[in-house]
Amino acid sequence: QKEVEQNSGPLSVPEGAIASLNCTYSDRGSQSFFWYRQYSGKSPELIMSIYSNGDKEDGRFTAQLNKASQYVSLLIRDSQPSDSATYLCAVRKYNAGNMLTFGGGTRLMVKP
Amino acid sequence: DTGVSQDPRHKITKRGQNVTFRCDPISEHNRLYWYRQTLGQGPEFLTYFQNEAQLEKSRLLSDRFSAERPKGSFSTLEIQRTEQGDSAMYLCASRPEGETQYFGPGTRLLVL
Repeated sequence: QKEVEQNSGPLSVPEGAIASLNCTYSDRGSQSFFWYRQYSGKSPELIMSIYSNGDKEDGRFTAQLNKASQYVSLLIRDSQPSDSATYLCAVRKYNAGNMLTFGGGTRLMVKP
Repeated sequence: DTGVSQDPRHKITKRGQNVTFRCDPISEHNRLYWYRQTLGQGPEFLTYFQNEAQLEKSRLLSDRFSAERPKGSFSTLEIQRTEQGDSAMYLCASRPEGETQYFGPGTRLLVL
């Protein structure tokens, strides 16, 4: 079992719809959770971080965390074609280095 | 541009050759990370520096790989005797005292 799992997709949604991206993680010691967006051939860019159970909203993006279920999700409201990218879920465990463990990413396609 | 920079952006080499990549972090960031990303996968952690000290190294990192950060500023990643399996995007990230890691544009390596 991978430490961080994501459905690879592609997830296809029409423009204006809500896109829902999901991620599960295996280590209960995980403390911090991040969503990165990666366009093809580019490097990851941070969209959201979340550290405590519940929802966190930033513009069209909402991150949801449920530590009991070891589940984190990202909702994108009013999806735009420019949101088409791969979304990477990343988890940080408490350790000296604080490195991130990434899932394989979910490819999102927003169709006009 | 005050972001993380990496050089070169692309490198093509023949199997068995040595290659070296450079990363310049954001100037006030004392923590620096190297990751490797292959097609369709999320980034995988390679190594971590705090200032000039290399504090963590992944078990994935064979002895053909070496990284340095001699003055706590820029870092280099060297791969000796390259193999075709080393073909990947090599990503550098830096962060300040806070949580967020900021990624550079990456160096795409192709080993023929």
